[in-house]
Amino acid sequence: GAVVSQHPSRVICKSGTSVKIECRSLDFQATTMFWYRQFPKKSLMLMATSNEGSKATYEQGVEKDKFLINHASLTLSTLTVTSAHPEDSSFYICSASRVGNEKLFFGSGTQLSVL
Amino acid sequence: GESVGLHLPTLSVQEGDNSIINCAYSNSASDYFIWYKQESGKGPQFIIDIRSNMDKRQGQRVTVLLNKTVKHLSLQIAATQPGDSAVYFCAENSPNAGKSTFGDGTTLTVKP
Repeated sequence: GAVVSQHPSRVICKSGTSVKIECRSLDFQATTMFWYRQFPKKSLMLMATSNEGSKATYEQGVEKDKFLINHASLTLSTLTVTSAHPEDSSFYICSASRVGNEKLFFGSGTQLSVL
Repeated sequence: GESVGLHLPTLSVQEGDNSIINCAYSNSASDYFIWYKQESGKGPQFIIDIRSNMDKRQGQRVTVLLNKTVKHLSLQIAATQPGDSAVYFCAENSPNAGKSTFGDGTTLTVKP
């Protein structure tokens, strides 16, 4: 089956620092990857759609300068939380699909805690 | 706007019983539906999917039913096991949407 690897699984940082999260499709090429944020006992909130070789498409209300997305290759997308603050603490998850508009394969998630 | 919602936020069943998790969707243009399972602290995992030209699809111990008339989707788990305890999300795709819309999730708890 398709495997999506996400790193790190957990990160603790000081307020004001930037944190980079990586999402890799290990055995398939993903032209599109998705980034979500999830609060405890809540559903997945789509933040942005990451397209290889082009700018990401952000959902309404998501600050593009705050959450920088880079999708430089068909197997890697990164999410950088810039100048993180405690309110950015959350569970961040990426996903990818092998073919457009099909089932998604998810990374294992990154728990970000900003002190 | 479109929404996908679940009827019940929690479901508790006895080990060995069958579980039924329901989902309502509002976008009549949706043509592809997926169920995902998310265990605590992990990313969601694909369980089963169904296209709008079908009304039933079976997998191993799981069955998805689709009623397009009332825009309702359900996931049936046979002989529920403790390892089935998780949050279950339905998701819908519509043509050219380029992304899935997720429901709120149902927490399934299996009592031994």
